[in-house]
Amino acid sequence: QKEVEQDPGPLSVPEGAIVSLNCTYSNSAFQYFMWYRQYSRKGPELLMYTYSSGNKEDGRFTAQVDKSSKYISLFIRDSQPSDSATYLCAMSEIIQGAQKLVFGQGTRLTINP
Amino acid sequence: GAGVSQSPRYKVAKRGQDVALRCDPISGHVSLFWYQQALGQGPEFLTYFQNEAQLDKSGLPSDRFFAERPEGSVSTLKIQRTQQEDSAVYLCASSPSRGGGFFGPGTRLTVL
Repeated sequence: QKEVEQDPGPLSVPEGAIVSLNCTYSNSAFQYFMWYRQYSRKGPELLMYTYSSGNKEDGRFTAQVDKSSKYISLFIRDSQPSDSATYLCAMSEIIQGAQKLVFGQGTRLTINP
Repeated sequence: GAGVSQSPRYKVAKRGQDVALRCDPISGHVSLFWYQQALGQGPEFLTYFQNEAQLDKSGLPSDRFFAERPEGSVSTLKIQRTQQEDSAVYLCASSPSRGGGFFGPGTRLTVL
């Protein structure tokens, strides 16, 4: 079993819908939780970064972390066609002075106009 | 401003060839990471540098993989005697601290 599980989709929703993306993990030592967006043939781009449990909001994006359930979520409100991409969850602990990221498989999202 | 750059963007190698992939991090970034991303998968950690010191190479899949960052800036990932299973996108990320950082566009390696 992988340390981080993420449904690969694909997920297709109409423009304006609320999108919910989720990951579960098994390593209770993870302290830092991130969501990346990756467009085709590009590198991952950091969207949200949270430490420990709770919610964080940035514009149309909300990240939630529930450490007791080992479950993290990303919500996208008022989704736009430009949000179509692969969304990767990532998490880390500090090992040897560095945040070595462990990624989920990525969820491929399409927003239909 | 310049982000992380990687070269070449695409590399085709015949099985058994050696390849060298280059990463130019953001100027002044202390930390540099290499990840391997197979098709349809998330990136997987390969190795980590803090300045010129390679502090973690636990993700390198075999002794055919070697990475260096001799002056604490540019890094090179070398793969010797490439195999088909080495085909993937190789991503470099740099950070001003010890965090995961900013990713480059990747080098897509295809081994025939």
